[in-house]
Amino acid sequence: SQQGEEDPQALSIQEGENATMNCSYKTSINNLQWYRQNSGRGLVHLILIRSNEREKHSGRLRVTLDTSKKSSSLLITASRAADTASYFCATGGGQGGSEKLVFGKGTKLTVNP
Amino acid sequence: DTGVSQDPRHKITKRGQNVTFRCDPISEHNRLYWYRQTLGQGPEFLTYFQNEAQLEKSRLLSDRFSAERPKGSFSTLEIQRTEQGDSAMYLCASSSQGAGNEKLFFGSGTQLSVL
Repeated sequence: SQQGEEDPQALSIQEGENATMNCSYKTSINNLQWYRQNSGRGLVHLILIRSNEREKHSGRLRVTLDTSKKSSSLLITASRAADTASYFCATGGGQGGSEKLVFGKGTKLTVNP
Repeated sequence: DTGVSQDPRHKITKRGQNVTFRCDPISEHNRLYWYRQTLGQGPEFLTYFQNEAQLEKSRLLSDRFSAERPKGSFSTLEIQRTEQGDSAMYLCASSSQGAGNEKLFFGSGTQLSVL
């Protein structure tokens, strides 16, 4: 079963704009991770934020985590056409320390040139 | 290229046939995962190995599915008597410490089509 729910399901923006995707989850976690997937390809890890962290940056990416609300957001700044992909949040270490990642349904981002 | 290899990339089979997929993880990784992903959905966990031991299996993994990881290196996922509902992308991932502590490295997947 899916742990997370991403919002929105689809997002279309112009190049140069910022893109914000949100994720909510249900159980306690050790970490929350964001992955990117180009159509028909495997997933590429973007960033991991631990449950005791509130914000993390990596290049044009900014992730926040609010464990009290069981939610996270991914901000991509100054988007590029190459950022067009599906983005998934995934929780790790939930449900009694399980070592599996549990994914949400994803947000499909389209960046128009 | 993440270093995780999956073979084949695509498989087309007829309903009722058996299929087997292979995954070669990053060599120093002792954790290996299998996920299934259908169109428009996120990956769903199937099973997980630590070395050669299969430690967790999803309820999604029916009796027709079996996974092995002999000698704790590569892994195979076999689906017996395939059904049209088995059509999906099958993804393999590996890590050294498990998803509770670190990221997973995913392969490019095997796309299965059952006719």
